[in-house]
Amino acid sequence: KQEVTQIPAALSVPEGENLVLNCSFTDSAIYNLQWFRQDPGKGLTSLLLIQSSQREQTSGRLNASLDKSSGRSTLYIAASQPGDSATYLCAVITTSGTYKYIFGTGTRLKVLA
Amino acid sequence: GAGVSQTPSNKVTEKGKYVELRCDPISGHTALYWYRQSLGQGPEFLIYFQGTGAADDSGLPNDRFFAVRPEGSVSTLKIQRTERGDSAVYLCASSLVNGGEQFFGPGTRLTVL
Repeated sequence: KQEVTQIPAALSVPEGENLVLNCSFTDSAIYNLQWFRQDPGKGLTSLLLIQSSQREQTSGRLNASLDKSSGRSTLYIAASQPGDSATYLCAVITTSGTYKYIFGTGTRLKVLA
Repeated sequence: GAGVSQTPSNKVTEKGKYVELRCDPISGHTALYWYRQSLGQGPEFLIYFQGTGAADDSGLPNDRFFAVRPEGSVSTLKIQRTERGDSAVYLCASSLVNGGEQFFGPGTRLTVL
């Protein structure tokens, strides 16, 4: 059974810092991995999707990497801003099941001005 | 529409009542997913539709929960004899193709008193 873990659960950093959020999954046979952002009381906003054949994806100040063999993905945020404060969730689809996402519990990020 | 929409945004009901939650996916998206999110947790899968049929309903917690998508577009999640434990945010997502990037709606916050 696929399990997804995100560490740390919460993170507080000063504005301008580069930071890394971690996502681990137990079953390396994944179809894809997607990173989301969730603001309080809101739905999920898609940030980056990495297909199983890809190693990384970039969008603006965000870079996500995928290492299937070790069951890990990282989300790198460059030059963090207070507007980046949110909960970040990763989710995976495993090849052994249907196309449902298994989510981690998220990392709650606070960027201090 | 421009994105996934869900109605109502908030629903307060009494224990034992019946509720319906609606999801309008992005136009042309063939896959539709329902998830449930409790406070401080990542979303948990409920059911996935490919077209009009439920491809995977393994996440529905019990037979009080049922979902339909009769014309392959709008979906309704139906909960009978609601219980206080059903209180959560119910999220809907759609994707253009199976396993594609999932786009989420803002959610329906259900409170059972």
